[in-house]
Amino acid sequence: DAGVIQSPRHEVTEMGQEVTLRCKPISGHNSLFWYRQTMMRGLELLIYFNNNVPIDDSGMPEDRFSAKMPNASFSTLKIQPSEPRDSAVYFCASSLKGHYGYTFGSGTRLTVV
Amino acid sequence: TQLLEQSPQFLSIQEGENLTVYCNSSSVFSSLQWYRQEPGEGPVLLVTVVTGGEVKKLKRLTFQFGDARKDSSLHITAAQPGDTGLYLCAGAADFGNEKLTFGTGTRLTIIP
Repeated sequence: DAGVIQSPRHEVTEMGQEVTLRCKPISGHNSLFWYRQTMMRGLELLIYFNNNVPIDDSGMPEDRFSAKMPNASFSTLKIQPSEPRDSAVYFCASSLKGHYGYTFGSGTRLTVV
Repeated sequence: TQLLEQSPQFLSIQEGENLTVYCNSSSVFSSLQWYRQEPGEGPVLLVTVVTGGEVKKLKRLTFQFGDARKDSSLHITAAQPGDTGLYLCAGAADFGNEKLTFGTGTRLTIIP
């Protein structure tokens, strides 16, 4: 298995632009998580899905952030409009419910200028 | 909100030395996991502990879950440069709840 695949690896965009981050979880995993990591705040859970259904989105900062999981093999995290304070590394992780541990992707480093 | 505080925040030691890092909370966790993260990559799961007082060993790494399931420690014997990285603990609040709260992290540097 290729693991959790995220794209792009790096994204530099101007303030106000729309940004879409993509994630392909491990085949057979039924839970998917989006985290954001910064030096100041560490790893923060933004939203997670189980069987493609959003279960907890309490960590989504504000209405500018949205996430979708149209099928078991694909999820997106969208920021519109982007702001400099959104600059961070965004991780996607997947797991099999009932089993311990996440498998993380390599992350997307987002820079908003 | 459940918080996990890790200490020390930074640790730099010579190759061959032993070290212990700590993960503490005022909340009870049903399980606790340890991850290691290297630069430019996502965290990688090292171990999961689920029973109060449980001790698990992974080669030179020893993990312990506190009796009250509120804290954990990671001990590394004879540290090697390959142990360098960010060590993160993460707790699950309830049995069957997949949502993990991550600790603040310990950035470990092993000097050859």
